[in-house]
Amino acid sequence: EAGVAQSPRYKIIEKRQSVAFWCNPISGHATLYWYQQILGQGPKLLIQFQNNGVVDDSQLPKDRFSAERLKGVDSTLKIQPAKLEDSAVYLCASSFSANTEAFFGQGTRLTVV
Amino acid sequence: GNSVTQMEGPVTLSEEAFLTINCTYTATGYPSLFWYVQYPGEGLQLLLKATKADDKGSNKGFEATYRKETTSFHLEKGSVQVSDSAVYFCALSLNNNDMRFGAGTRLTVKP
Repeated sequence: EAGVAQSPRYKIIEKRQSVAFWCNPISGHATLYWYQQILGQGPKLLIQFQNNGVVDDSQLPKDRFSAERLKGVDSTLKIQPAKLEDSAVYLCASSFSANTEAFFGQGTRLTVV
Repeated sequence: GNSVTQMEGPVTLSEEAFLTINCTYTATGYPSLFWYVQYPGEGLQLLLKATKADDKGSNKGFEATYRKETTSFHLEKGSVQVSDSAVYFCALSLNNNDMRFGAGTRLTVKP
């Protein structure tokens, strides 16, 4: 069974530029999560989708971050404009349903300079 | 709010030593509890879980028991190996809401 796919693996951008990350969840998984993991900290949820609807985006900085999950499958997370403090690993995860095991991708390491 | 607190690392042990990584939680209800592991260069993967009080999760020699009375889910292993070197995250999930993670504990096992 294929796992959660994310791209790119690494990205370096200058502050005030924009960037987008892509995630393809495990087939059949209705729930998709985007997490931000700053170095030395645990993952922090940014947004949770159930199919193509948003369940929780309370911790998403909506002035600069946006995410969508068209057709309830793939998802993209965008940052515009980026700030230095956005440097982190962005993790995508999916689960069959909420409250069941989440499977994580390898993440995208973003460095903002 | 719902949260997880786990012991600060890093933890350094010799091979075959006993491991305990403490985890306590705060939740307005009865969460499911998880331990995730992140090996060097890899993504997070589920190590074990427990969904109700007194349940014991176990995998790869690791165990953790869901203790409602002490709101704890401590991770234990009787004899660690060098290959267990990784970062371990305690997490909870409640009522179909997001999974909340602790800060992680880095374990290094020396031969």
